[in-house]
Amino acid sequence: DAGVIQSPRHEVTEMGQEVTLRCKPISGHDYLFWYRQTMMRGLELLIYFNNNVPIDDSGMPEDRFSAKMPNASFSTLKIQPSEPRDSAVYFCASSLRPQETQYFGPGTRLLVL
Amino acid sequence: SQQGEEDPQALSIQEGENATMNCSYKTSINNLQWYRQNSGRGLVHLILIRSNEREKHSGRLRVTLDTSKKSSSLLITASRAADTASYFCATDIGDYKLSFGAGTTVTVRA
Repeated sequence: DAGVIQSPRHEVTEMGQEVTLRCKPISGHDYLFWYRQTMMRGLELLIYFNNNVPIDDSGMPEDRFSAKMPNASFSTLKIQPSEPRDSAVYFCASSLRPQETQYFGPGTRLLVL
Repeated sequence: SQQGEEDPQALSIQEGENATMNCSYKTSINNLQWYRQNSGRGLVHLILIRSNEREKHSGRLRVTLDTSKKSSSLLITASRAADTASYFCATDIGDYKLSFGAGTTVTVRA
């Protein structure tokens, strides 16, 4: 398996633009997590899915953020409109069972100007 | 807020030396995990220790868990330049979520 795949790896955009981050989890993993990492706040859980259903989105910072998982092999995290404070590295991770080993993707480094 | 806190924040050692870092947490856990993150990369799972285990080994890694003190330690023996990375502990915080600490940055000098 190729592991968790994320795209794009880098994104530079201007304030107010829509940003869509994509993730393909490891096949067979029922749990998918979206994290955000910044120097100030560390690694924060934004939302997680179980069998394509959003279970906990309490970490999503604002209504500008939304996430979907239309099928078992694809998820998106959308920011609309983007703001400079959204600049961070966004990670997607998947796992077979909750609270067990999570497999992280390489991350998307987002810079909002 | 973060459940786990690593100590020290940063560590610099000579190649061949051992590196030890600690993690303290606040509430009872089912398991504790350690992850490594190389610069510019995603986190990589190193080891998981369950609450009923006291010590676990994986290659040059040794993890201990003291549930009475709510703490864990990660020991890397005979460090190599490739061990230069940030190390995070993660604890389950209920609702099927993990909480990651702020990490310990380890630099191994040649």
